[in-house]
Amino acid sequence: DTAVSQTPKYLVTQMGNDKSIKCEQNLGHDTMYWYKQDSKKFLKIMFSYNNKELIINETVPNRFSPKSPDKAHLNLHINSLELGDSAVYFCASSSGQGAKEQFFGPGTRLTVL
Amino acid sequence: LAKTTQPISMDSYEGQEVNITCSHNNIATNDYITWYQQFPSQGPRFIIQGYKTKVTNEVASLFIPADRKSSTLSLPRVSLSDTAVYYCLASGTYKYIFGTGTRLKVLA
Repeated sequence: DTAVSQTPKYLVTQMGNDKSIKCEQNLGHDTMYWYKQDSKKFLKIMFSYNNKELIINETVPNRFSPKSPDKAHLNLHINSLELGDSAVYFCASSSGQGAKEQFFGPGTRLTVL
Repeated sequence: LAKTTQPISMDSYEGQEVNITCSHNNIATNDYITWYQQFPSQGPRFIIQGYKTKVTNEVASLFIPADRKSSTLSLPRVSLSDTAVYYCLASGTYKYIFGTGTRLKVLA
Protein backbone atom coordinates (compact mmCIF):
# COMPACT_ATOMS: atom_id res chain seq x y z
CA ASP A 1 0.00 0.00 0.00
CA THR A 2 1.27 3.46 -0.89
CA ALA A 3 1.87 5.53 2.24
CA VAL A 4 1.56 9.00 0.70
CA SER A 5 -0.11 9.27 -2.67
CA GLN A 6 -0.64 12.23 -4.98
CA THR A 7 -2.79 12.71 -8.03
CA PRO A 8 -2.19 13.49 -10.76
CA LYS A 9 1.45 12.56 -11.32
CA TYR A 10 1.70 14.87 -14.31
CA LEU A 11 -0.28 18.01 -15.02
CA VAL A 12 0.11 20.09 -18.17
CA THR A 13 -2.05 23.16 -18.48
CA GLN A 14 -2.28 26.63 -19.97
CA MET A 15 -1.52 29.90 -18.24
CA GLY A 16 -4.51 31.36 -16.46
CA ASN A 17 -6.16 28.01 -15.74
CA ASP A 18 -7.10 26.74 -12.28
CA LYS A 19 -5.94 23.29 -11.19
CA SER A 20 -5.88 21.07 -8.10
CA ILE A 21 -3.49 18.46 -6.79
CA LYS A 22 -4.72 15.89 -4.30
CA CYS A 23 -2.75 14.20 -1.54
CA GLU A 24 -3.69 11.34 0.76
CA GLN A 25 -1.73 9.53 3.45
CA ASN A 26 -2.67 6.24 5.11
CA LEU A 27 -0.06 6.42 7.88
CA GLY A 28 -2.37 7.89 10.51
CA HIS A 29 -0.23 11.03 10.68
CA ASP A 30 -1.65 14.31 11.90
CA THR A 31 0.72 16.68 10.11
CA MET A 32 0.90 17.19 6.35
CA TYR A 33 2.96 19.45 4.11
CA TRP A 34 3.26 20.83 0.61
CA TYR A 35 6.70 21.48 -0.87
CA LYS A 36 7.73 22.99 -4.20
CA GLN A 37 10.84 21.71 -6.00
CA ASP A 38 11.98 24.02 -8.77
CA SER A 39 14.04 23.30 -11.86
CA LYS A 40 17.26 23.66 -9.85
CA LYS A 41 16.00 20.98 -7.45
CA PHE A 42 15.65 23.40 -4.53
CA LEU A 43 13.00 22.16 -2.08
CA LYS A 44 10.94 24.84 -0.35
CA ILE A 45 8.11 24.40 2.09
CA MET A 46 4.85 26.04 1.12
CA PHE A 47 2.29 24.97 3.72
CA SER A 48 1.93 22.74 6.73
CA TYR A 49 -1.24 21.51 8.41
CA ASN A 50 -1.62 19.88 11.80
CA ASN A 51 -4.94 18.22 12.59
CA LYS A 52 -6.54 20.09 9.68
CA GLU A 53 -5.30 23.45 10.96
CA LEU A 54 -2.90 25.60 8.93
CA ILE A 55 0.32 26.08 10.92
CA ILE A 56 2.84 27.16 8.29
CA ASN A 57 2.11 29.44 5.37
CA GLU A 58 5.34 30.56 3.75
CA THR A 59 5.46 33.53 1.39
CA VAL A 60 3.35 31.82 -1.21
CA PRO A 61 1.09 33.82 -3.59
CA ASN A 62 -2.51 33.71 -2.48
CA ARG A 63 -3.33 32.02 -5.78
CA PHE A 64 -2.28 28.87 -3.90
CA SER A 65 -4.89 27.63 -1.46
CA PRO A 66 -4.46 24.43 0.54
CA LYS A 67 -7.46 22.58 1.90
CA SER A 68 -7.50 19.79 4.45
CA PRO A 69 -10.91 18.09 4.62
CA ASP A 70 -9.59 15.60 7.18
CA LYS A 71 -6.27 14.54 8.71
CA ALA A 72 -5.55 12.09 5.90
CA HIS A 73 -5.94 14.56 3.05
CA LEU A 74 -4.29 17.81 2.03
CA ASN A 75 -5.17 19.20 -1.35
CA LEU A 76 -3.59 22.13 -3.18
CA HIS A 77 -5.63 24.38 -5.44
CA ILE A 78 -3.89 26.86 -7.70
CA ASN A 79 -5.72 29.72 -9.40
CA SER A 80 -4.64 31.68 -12.45
CA LEU A 81 -1.60 29.54 -13.17
CA GLU A 82 1.58 31.30 -14.26
CA LEU A 83 4.66 30.06 -16.10
CA GLY A 84 6.68 30.34 -12.88
CA ASP A 85 4.42 27.83 -11.18
CA SER A 86 5.96 25.07 -13.26
CA ALA A 87 7.69 22.77 -10.79
CA VAL A 88 7.35 19.45 -9.00
CA TYR A 89 5.04 19.64 -6.00
CA PHE A 90 5.55 17.16 -3.17
CA CYS A 91 3.14 16.29 -0.43
CA ALA A 92 4.52 14.85 2.81
CA SER A 93 3.27 13.75 6.19
CA SER A 94 4.69 13.17 9.67
CA SER A 95 3.51 12.10 13.11
CA GLY A 96 3.58 15.52 14.69
CA GLN A 97 5.18 18.88 14.04
CA GLY A 98 8.79 19.96 14.26
CA ALA A 99 11.70 17.66 13.60
CA LYS A 100 9.81 14.49 12.77
CA GLU A 101 10.60 12.10 9.95
CA GLN A 102 8.62 13.13 6.92
CA PHE A 103 7.21 10.68 4.40
CA PHE A 104 6.99 12.11 0.91
CA GLY A 105 4.65 11.36 -1.92
CA PRO A 106 5.91 10.66 -5.46
CA GLY A 107 5.41 14.24 -6.58
CA THR A 108 3.26 16.00 -9.17
CA ARG A 109 5.07 17.55 -12.09
CA LEU A 110 3.19 20.68 -13.10
CA THR A 111 3.96 22.26 -16.47
CA VAL A 112 2.35 25.58 -17.32
CA LEU A 113 2.43 26.50 -21.01
CA LEU B 1 16.97 34.12 7.40
CA ALA B 2 18.69 30.82 7.94
CA LYS B 3 20.53 29.41 4.95
CA THR B 4 21.54 25.81 4.54
CA THR B 5 24.21 25.16 1.92
CA GLN B 6 25.82 22.04 0.50
CA PRO B 7 28.34 21.22 -2.23
CA ILE B 8 26.60 20.94 -5.58
CA SER B 9 28.02 17.58 -6.55
CA MET B 10 30.45 14.81 -5.59
CA ASP B 11 31.83 11.76 -7.33
CA SER B 12 32.96 8.61 -5.60
CA TYR B 13 33.88 5.03 -6.43
CA GLU B 14 32.10 1.96 -5.25
CA GLY B 15 33.24 0.73 -1.87
CA GLN B 16 34.52 4.10 -0.69
CA GLU B 17 33.25 6.13 2.26
CA VAL B 18 31.52 9.35 1.26
CA ASN B 19 31.18 12.39 3.49
CA ILE B 20 28.72 15.13 2.51
CA THR B 21 28.75 18.35 4.47
CA CYS B 22 26.00 20.85 5.16
CA SER B 23 26.52 24.37 6.46
CA HIS B 24 23.82 25.83 8.68
CA ASN B 25 25.40 28.83 10.38
CA ASN B 26 22.14 30.27 11.73
CA ILE B 27 20.73 27.09 13.19
CA ALA B 28 18.37 27.71 16.10
CA THR B 29 18.74 26.11 19.52
CA ASN B 30 15.83 23.74 19.07
CA ASP B 31 16.51 22.81 15.43
CA TYR B 32 17.37 19.27 14.44
CA ILE B 33 19.33 18.21 11.37
CA THR B 34 17.85 15.54 9.12
CA TRP B 35 19.21 14.08 5.91
CA TYR B 36 17.12 12.85 3.00
CA GLN B 37 17.95 10.93 -0.17
CA GLN B 38 16.15 11.57 -3.44
CA PHE B 39 16.21 9.43 -6.57
CA PRO B 40 15.00 10.81 -9.92
CA SER B 41 11.22 11.09 -10.19
CA GLN B 42 10.73 10.14 -6.53
CA GLY B 43 10.08 11.99 -3.32
CA PRO B 44 12.85 12.44 -0.75
CA ARG B 45 13.39 9.57 1.68
CA PHE B 46 14.58 9.84 5.29
CA ILE B 47 18.12 8.70 6.03
CA ILE B 48 19.10 9.91 9.50
CA GLN B 49 18.48 12.64 12.06
CA GLY B 50 20.50 14.17 14.88
CA TYR B 51 20.85 17.11 17.24
CA LYS B 52 24.53 17.04 18.15
CA THR B 53 27.56 14.70 18.36
CA LYS B 54 27.24 11.46 16.43
CA VAL B 55 24.30 9.35 15.40
CA THR B 56 24.59 6.06 13.53
CA ASN B 57 22.02 3.77 11.97
CA GLU B 58 22.18 0.84 9.60
CA VAL B 59 22.82 2.96 6.52
CA ALA B 60 24.67 6.13 7.61
CA SER B 61 26.30 8.19 10.31
CA LEU B 62 25.69 11.82 11.11
CA PHE B 63 28.30 14.04 12.76
CA ILE B 64 27.30 17.36 14.26
CA PRO B 65 30.04 19.37 16.05
CA ALA B 66 29.47 21.20 19.30
CA ASP B 67 28.79 24.57 17.65
CA ARG B 68 26.19 22.87 15.39
CA LYS B 69 26.97 25.23 12.51
CA SER B 70 27.57 22.30 10.19
CA SER B 71 26.85 18.62 9.86
CA THR B 72 28.36 15.74 7.91
CA LEU B 73 26.52 12.77 6.49
CA SER B 74 28.78 9.75 6.18
CA LEU B 75 27.88 6.88 3.87
CA PRO B 76 30.13 3.85 4.39
CA ARG B 77 31.13 1.74 1.37
CA VAL B 78 28.85 3.31 -1.22
CA SER B 79 27.43 1.29 -4.11
CA LEU B 80 26.09 2.31 -7.52
CA SER B 81 22.58 2.39 -6.06
CA ASP B 82 23.60 5.23 -3.74
CA THR B 83 23.75 7.59 -6.73
CA ALA B 84 21.17 10.20 -5.79
CA VAL B 85 20.70 13.74 -4.52
CA TYR B 86 21.19 14.19 -0.78
CA TYR B 87 19.56 17.00 1.17
CA CYS B 88 20.07 18.23 4.69
CA LEU B 89 17.12 19.77 6.49
CA ALA B 90 17.22 22.14 9.46
CA SER B 91 13.89 21.88 11.20
CA GLY B 92 12.24 23.03 14.35
CA THR B 93 8.88 24.27 15.38
CA TYR B 94 7.26 25.94 12.36
CA LYS B 95 10.48 25.84 10.39
CA TYR B 96 11.74 23.55 7.64
CA ILE B 97 14.73 24.70 5.61
CA PHE B 98 16.19 22.27 3.11
CA GLY B 99 19.76 22.54 1.95
CA THR B 100 20.64 23.14 -1.66
CA GLY B 101 21.21 19.44 -2.30
CA THR B 102 24.34 17.45 -3.23
CA ARG B 103 24.28 15.24 -6.30
CA LEU B 104 26.34 12.14 -5.52
CA LYS B 105 27.51 10.01 -8.41
CA VAL B 106 28.98 6.62 -7.58
CA LEU B 107 31.26 5.21 -10.24
CA ALA B 108 32.11 1.56 -10.85
